[in-house]
Amino acid sequence: QPVLTQSSSASASLGSSVKLTCTLSSGHSNYIIAWHQQQPGKAPRYLMNLEGSRSYNKGSGVPDRFSGSSSGADRYLTISSLQSEDEADYYCETWDSNTRVFGGGTKLTVL
Amino acid sequence: QVQLVQSGAEVKKSGASVKVSCKTSGYTFSGHYMHWVRQAPGQGLEWMGWINPNSGGTNYAQKFQGRVAMTRDTSISTIYMELSRLRYDDTAVYYCARELGSVAATGYWGQGTLVTVSS
Repeated sequence: QPVLTQSSSASASLGSSVKLTCTLSSGHSNYIIAWHQQQPGKAPRYLMNLEGSRSYNKGSGVPDRFSGSSSGADRYLTISSLQSEDEADYYCETWDSNTRVFGGGTKLTVL
Repeated sequence: QVQLVQSGAEVKKSGASVKVSCKTSGYTFSGHYMHWVRQAPGQGLEWMGWINPNSGGTNYAQKFQGRVAMTRDTSISTIYMELSRLRYDDTAVYYCARELGSVAATGYWGQGTLVTVSS
């Protein structure tokens, strides 16, 4: 089954950009993934799904500041013009016919 | 709009069972697979399994097989997750989530239900 690897933490300054990475395990580099945001004390929120180099199906109300891209087995979430409310945990998700997995999550701190 | 409303917090003794509900609205209930995902305090998201609301078919993560049961009541557009033989490390927030439709990503989430397992 696929495994997703994320850095445990990231930080960037208010108004700047940050690129978070989610890496698919060997043999699964063509899998679709989804990105989710979880603000403190809240349920996860779907952001977008990412297939190859294209992001699709952005969630309702997700700002244009959030975008996705890919390179090989790496899937990226870029957040530009960082705002204080972007401080959250970010999870990637993937699936196959039998299972579904989440990455360990990246805690983003906005300085 | 799509809404997933879960039942309230529960406190259970070790060894007991808990049943969490997730009432759906705003779409055709039978049209989308539903998932249960849990999150222990300070930890990440852990997938538990899915249910097909149309057929009632299920698929559970290996870790929970034999201890979890996911069911649905089509008359009230509600799904349920029952976890038995509770242990202290089952203390977590349990979420229901609906697949997006165009792709199998979990696109809609319930508000979560805190289950606390105590002595």
